[in-house]
Amino acid sequence: GEDVEQSLFLSVREGDSSVINCTYTDSSSTYLYWYKQEPGAGLQLLTYIFSNMDMKQDQRLTVLLNKKDKHLSLRIADTQTGDSAIYFCAESTPSASKIIFGSGTRLSIRP
Amino acid sequence: DAMVIQNPRYQVTQFGKPVTLSCSQTLNHNVMYWYQQKSSQAPKLLFHYYDKDFNNEADTPDNFQSRRPNTSFCFLDIRSPGLGDAAMYLCATSLIRTDTQYFGPGTRLTVL
Repeated sequence: GEDVEQSLFLSVREGDSSVINCTYTDSSSTYLYWYKQEPGAGLQLLTYIFSNMDMKQDQRLTVLLNKKDKHLSLRIADTQTGDSAIYFCAESTPSASKIIFGSGTRLSIRP
Repeated sequence: DAMVIQNPRYQVTQFGKPVTLSCSQTLNHNVMYWYQQKSSQAPKLLFHYYDKDFNNEADTPDNFQSRRPNTSFCFLDIRSPGLGDAAMYLCATSLIRTDTQYFGPGTRLTVL
């Protein structure tokens, strides 16, 4: 079945890079997403990557996709206190009528 | 700006008292979703509408119902809320089922 896994916690020092990792099981995934959720708020779409790409960069965000290993990562350069949030990885597939979310990674920033 | 709006942002109800949560969208998307999210867990899909076609998830309790009177609005009805139904309820929309989903800010439901 479809499954998306992430580590639960990540702590980084302000100014360093953060790398959040995700693995998924469905090789027919078409889109892979990163959503950000701040406390008490909804999910904000950060970025997404189509499955035929291996990298996407958008300002401080870099998404890497290793389709062979079914591994997705989100790198946040120069991490700031405003980046503190839960980051959800998600996938969609042609056969599914929904997207599958990981359990979320809580990113905390140390001064 | 096109967006997904949820009202109210905070809702308090009593145990067993029916409650309705509202979602509206200006994106003119075909699909509208309702998710339940507890304690920073992953959102759990309850059901979705593709246009007027209702699609229930197999494990969604009968206590949860939904209505979509037109393209723009979708409602979540909880017929008899229990303490375990206290959660954040998120509405999302997408153009088609496998397309990117855009979320509203959520309604936090408290059950007393």
